[in-house]
Amino acid sequence: KAGVTQTPRYLIKTRGQQVTLSCSPISGHRSVSWYQQTPGQGLQFLFEYFSETQRNKGNFPGRFSGRQFSNSRSEMNVSTLELGDSALYLCASSHRSGTPNEQFFGPGTRLTVL
Amino acid sequence: GESVGLHLPTLSVQEGDNSIINCAYSNSASDYFIWYKQESGKGPQFIIDIRSNMDKRQGQRVTVLLNKTVKHLSLQIAATQPGDSAVYFCAETRMDSSYKLIFGSGTRLLVRP
Repeated sequence: KAGVTQTPRYLIKTRGQQVTLSCSPISGHRSVSWYQQTPGQGLQFLFEYFSETQRNKGNFPGRFSGRQFSNSRSEMNVSTLELGDSALYLCASSHRSGTPNEQFFGPGTRLTVL
Repeated sequence: GESVGLHLPTLSVQEGDNSIINCAYSNSASDYFIWYKQESGKGPQFIIDIRSNMDKRQGQRVTVLLNKTVKHLSLQIAATQPGDSAVYFCAETRMDSSYKLIFGSGTRLLVRP
């Protein structure tokens, strides 16, 4: 059974640009959550999507957005990139039918903003 | 690999010794806690969980202790092995808000051969 996949694995952008990251959950999983990981702030929850609807949202500005498709694949978008957006972006998938531990993380996308 | 953090507290232990990693959580309303392990270049991997109605739970070579009075979690790893070298995070959440995990700052575990 394939794990969570994230593309691309590495990305370099410049300030002011926008970026779209993709996450394919484990087959059968309908919930996808996104996290930002930085040395200074650690792992922070961005948002969660289930059945194409955002169910939970963290404390990030509106420049951070996401969506989920009917096949459960999810994308997150960051517009008007800032240097501080440089981070590892992780997605996690789950069935969302059991306890929260059933979240499986992907390897992440490393975004560097120059 | 990915740099999880340059300023993480580090625990260095001899191979074969027991390791204890501590975590303070923030929300007294949290009722579900999880320990994750993150190796270089990988996402966090589930180790063990515990609900707030328990104070101890054991897995294979790992034990989690929960002290709700002081909002403290610990992860004990028995007979630490080189493959245990990683960054360890605790996470808290509420069962009714399910999938929003609040992570601790992490501890780097280094196992000396």
